[in-house]
Amino acid sequence: NAGVTQTPKFQVLKTGQSMTLQCAQDMNHEYMSWYRQDPGMGLRLIHYSVGAGITDQGEVPNGYNVSRSTTEDFPLRLLSAAPSQTSVYFCASSYQGQANTEAFFGQGTRLTVV
Amino acid sequence: DAKTTQPPSMDCAEGRAANLPCNHSTISGNEYVYWYRQIHSQGPQYIIHGLKNNETNEMASLIITEDRKSSTLILPHATLRDTAVYYCIVTSGTYKYIFGTGTRLKVLA
Repeated sequence: NAGVTQTPKFQVLKTGQSMTLQCAQDMNHEYMSWYRQDPGMGLRLIHYSVGAGITDQGEVPNGYNVSRSTTEDFPLRLLSAAPSQTSVYFCASSYQGQANTEAFFGQGTRLTVV
Repeated sequence: DAKTTQPPSMDCAEGRAANLPCNHSTISGNEYVYWYRQIHSQGPQYIIHGLKNNETNEMASLIITEDRKSSTLILPHATLRDTAVYYCIVTSGTYKYIFGTGTRLKVLA
């Protein structure tokens, strides 16, 4: 049982490049979310999914796309990277998203856009 | 989801209890109070959560006031490994947390 696995751990991109941050969970959780964390700040919600085929926007969705074709995977796509997207990205999953269960977080992807 | 207010930083002597306050005066009846911590830049780690009653687990205790407008996380015997940023979150759905800036707890030897 690996929990929530994020790849890669570190990435450097040039402005305008695209890439996909991977997130996988093996706990059969319906709900998954992506957050970003800038220095000295708390995490901010980018996108979330309440099940396969269902996604919605969070606080800061601009510049990011998501899809959820399977329960296990929830990739985050940057279509045209900008320096403002330099951040640490965290993926989380939880069981059915009910408020009486906790969310599990991955260890993060540190992204630098130059 | 309701917003929370926490002090930006606190110090605690090793071996003593650390009491971390959180104000959530706009909490709704179906919202839970969750506490997470983040050590260095690792992913947030779940500590405890509650709705109305006080809760205790192997890591901490959570005291929620009767009017539910504030709560306190208690680490009974703080160690150096408890140095972290602690986040208090109020939510009705664990897929959409709103994080504030948390409390940076420093445990002093």
